[in-house]
Amino acid sequence: AQSVTQPDIHITVSEGASLELRCNYSYGATPYLFWYVQSPGQGLQLLLKYFSGDTLVQGIKGFEAEFKRSQSSFNLRKPSVHWSDAAEYFCAVGEGPIQAAGNKLTFGGGTRVLVKP
Amino acid sequence: KAGVTQTPRYLIKTRGQQVTLSCSPISGHRSVSWYQQTPGQGLQFLFEYFSETQRNKGNFPGRFSGRQFSNSRSEMNVSTLELGDSALYLCASSLGTGADTQYFGPGTRLTVL
Repeated sequence: AQSVTQPDIHITVSEGASLELRCNYSYGATPYLFWYVQSPGQGLQLLLKYFSGDTLVQGIKGFEAEFKRSQSSFNLRKPSVHWSDAAEYFCAVGEGPIQAAGNKLTFGGGTRVLVKP
Repeated sequence: KAGVTQTPRYLIKTRGQQVTLSCSPISGHRSVSWYQQTPGQGLQFLFEYFSETQRNKGNFPGRFSGRQFSNSRSEMNVSTLELGDSALYLCASSLGTGADTQYFGPGTRLTVL
């Protein structure tokens, strides 16, 4: 069964500093990987996704992530954080691309990011 | 395009009651998935519906059920509510074609007293 680990439960970063959130996955085939962000009381917003191709993917809000198959990792980065980036971030792996397999996302436990002024 | 909508946004129920939550997917999306989010268990997959058929199911008791209508709108039902069912229930829609991205609604916050 697939699984996702986000080793850091909380991260505190100063505004303007760089941010890196770690994600490790376990999946037997080529994974479909996602990063979502959740603000308090809200649903999940897609930041970026990796299906195939270039292992460095760009997302919204200045985020990027790098897929490293050898390390089973998909870490999220942002060069300079803004106070509005304070939220909880979730890494997820999807079962694809076979249509019959359906859409099931397995999520990591999340990393809560606090931004200091 | 309008996003995924969920109604109601908040619900308070008592133990033993049942509840029905509704989800309207993005126009053109045929797949609707449901997830439960709790502080202790995190985000867990409940089930997925595609073209009115349950295509995938998570590890939840039979008290949790769902259905999908011909317009792709979906409902989930929880019978005989327990305190542990208090959670944020998230609905996600996608095209359902395989190499898919799921887009989430704002969720329904269910509190069981």
